[in-house]
Amino acid sequence: AQSVTQPDIHITVSEGASLELRCNYSYGATPYLFWYVQSPGQGLQLLLKYFSGDTLVQGIKGFEAEFKRSQSSFNLRKPSVHWSDAAEYFCAVGPRGGANNLFFGTGTRLTVIP
Amino acid sequence: DAGVIQSPRHEVTEMGQEVTLRCKPISGHDYLFWYRQTMMRGLELLIYFNNNVPIDDSGMPEDRFSAKMPNASFSTLKIQPSEPRDSAVYFCASRPPSGVGNTIYFGEGSWLTVV
Repeated sequence: AQSVTQPDIHITVSEGASLELRCNYSYGATPYLFWYVQSPGQGLQLLLKYFSGDTLVQGIKGFEAEFKRSQSSFNLRKPSVHWSDAAEYFCAVGPRGGANNLFFGTGTRLTVIP
Repeated sequence: DAGVIQSPRHEVTEMGQEVTLRCKPISGHDYLFWYRQTMMRGLELLIYFNNNVPIDDSGMPEDRFSAKMPNASFSTLKIQPSEPRDSAVYFCASRPPSGVGNTIYFGEGSWLTVV
């Protein structure tokens, strides 16, 4: 069965520090992989996605993620966090080329301190 | 381009009342999804449509919930009668046709409180 695990419920980092949010998935084959961000009171915004090719993908707002097949991971990174990055981050997986929906992790809440 | 548009953004209603949430997907998208987000259960898929036809409604919690998509540009999610445990954020999302990518685009959500 497919599943997405985000082991960190809450992370606190200082502004300017680097960030890595973890995501592990269980899937029958290599899926499509996504990271979404949800700011307080807002909907989910797509940060980046991996479909194929280069395993290091760049997204909006200075985020990047690396797909590691051997570890079934798709961790999100940012070299220097800004206060405006405080939000909830969701990793998601979806089937290649098929219909239906995405399976979401439970999210990681990021707090940024001055 | 306009994104996925949901209304109302916020609704407070009394238990037992009917609630109707509305969604306009992105033009050209032929998949439409309704999700529910709560603290306890996270993001759950309730139902999704393809070309206006319901494909999977296994996530609809019970008969009090119903969803329709009368045309490609409009969908509703109805709860009747509403209960306090239905309080949640309901997201509508849409996706382009298969082969164009599996990216799902979300609306800003409808915040429902049932008192």
